[in-house]
Amino acid sequence: DQQVKQNSPSLSVQEGRISILNCDYTNSMFDYFLWYKKYPAEGPTFLISISSIKDKNEDGRFTVFLNKSAKHLSLHIVPSQPGDSAVYFCAASDRWDDKIIFGKGTRLHILP
Amino acid sequence: DAGVTQSPTHLIKTRGQQVTLRCSPKSGHDTVSWYQQALGQGPQFIFQYYEEEERQRGNFPDRFSGHQFPNYSSELNVNALLLGDSALYLCASSPPKNTGELFFGEGSRLTVL
Repeated sequence: DQQVKQNSPSLSVQEGRISILNCDYTNSMFDYFLWYKKYPAEGPTFLISISSIKDKNEDGRFTVFLNKSAKHLSLHIVPSQPGDSAVYFCAASDRWDDKIIFGKGTRLHILP
Repeated sequence: DAGVTQSPTHLIKTRGQQVTLRCSPKSGHDTVSWYQQALGQGPQFIFQYYEEEERQRGNFPDRFSGHQFPNYSSELNVNALLLGDSALYLCASSPPKNTGELFFGEGSRLTVL
């Protein structure tokens, strides 16, 4: 039973444009949401997070939006750069110190 | 400042064998979590260790066991290996007063033949 779903296995975006990665979740107890980025042969690295008391969190080119009623979150990257090409994992947990549940990931290709 | 280090990076075992994977957390971190990432999948939570005790466990059989040492380093043991255990095993550490962010190692790639 997949509690965190990333329905797009891959996404291609032109350099300089906006990349939007989507994520849905089923567990209404999730209170904390994170995005991780993974390059080949490296472990995932933390990108940005949001708690359920907010609907938006911004960090430089990265913004995460949370819609709790729809159980949906999205990651916006503006503008997209070649170094953004990676696999992006959406993740969630019941509380900040609980186990983190990951989605299957979306592979983002930034086209020159 | 060394990050999370894992060993070995790659290993090959045969069905029925046992394997031990090792992890040293980032300096200052006291909690270690282990994840299994199969090909094309996201990381799946195996268990988490804190104060040398298993604090939480995911949906993995008892063949998967672990240990945390007083210096916070950790081991993951898998007994009676199956072909389906072939995966990338990721160790992640987190600090006291955790903000929810995990720091991952590069992983140990296990192939079971």
